Amino acid sequence: DAKTTQPPSMDCAEGRAANLPCNHSTISGNEYVYWYRQIHSQGPQYIIHGLKNNETNEMASLIITEDRKSSTLILPHATLRDTAVYYCIVRVEFGNEKLTFGTGTRLTIIP
Amino acid sequence: NAGVMQNPRHLVRRRGQEARLRCSPMKGHSHVYWYRQLPEEGLKFMVYLQKENIIDESGMPKERFSAEFPKEGPSILRIQQVVRGDSAAYFCASSPGQAVSPLHFGNGTRLTVT
Repeated sequence: DAKTTQPPSMDCAEGRAANLPCNHSTISGNEYVYWYRQIHSQGPQYIIHGLKNNETNEMASLIITEDRKSSTLILPHATLRDTAVYYCIVRVEFGNEKLTFGTGTRLTIIP
Repeated sequence: NAGVMQNPRHLVRRRGQEARLRCSPMKGHSHVYWYRQLPEEGLKFMVYLQKENIIDESGMPKERFSAEFPKEGPSILRIQQVVRGDSAAYFCASSPGQAVSPLHFGNGTRLTVT
């Protein structure tokens, strides 16, 4: 799996958009970008994934740059319950490869 | 649709005993992955199984640890002769096995070795 680089921590005010960056400069053409989060003591929660187009679901939006070397996860209206560690992971398209977790970004939502 | 179910949620074992952790994947999922998270550390892959087959065990310790996913019933992660260093949260994930399918995780089993 290609490596990803994320800031170790970020703060965001409640109600504002949280923008979490991720660099994956060595990503291959057949690798997707996945985002998960882990709220304290719980199992990782799937958020969203994408290949090259921007994606949106009920939880978040994923913006992938045209060269695919970086991406941003956007939580549009952050709440206190969004406080968690967020992981950006790249994973090959074919097969059922495992996810390799890095250290992620610890996002703290400030009241 | 029930999520990935893991039991027990908490397990206490004395050194030298055996620990058996169970994982029932989501309905329709035939692929199971086990991860371990040591206190204050990241998630580490252990093993990936399909029904009756181990596909990737590159993260499994060479001794005392084993995993199975039988044709019927849950996946089992077994730790023999536990030591204090085995104390951790063990997470199971499942997927339907199609390409580009996200893994869905359970809430883990917290093993404490006394």
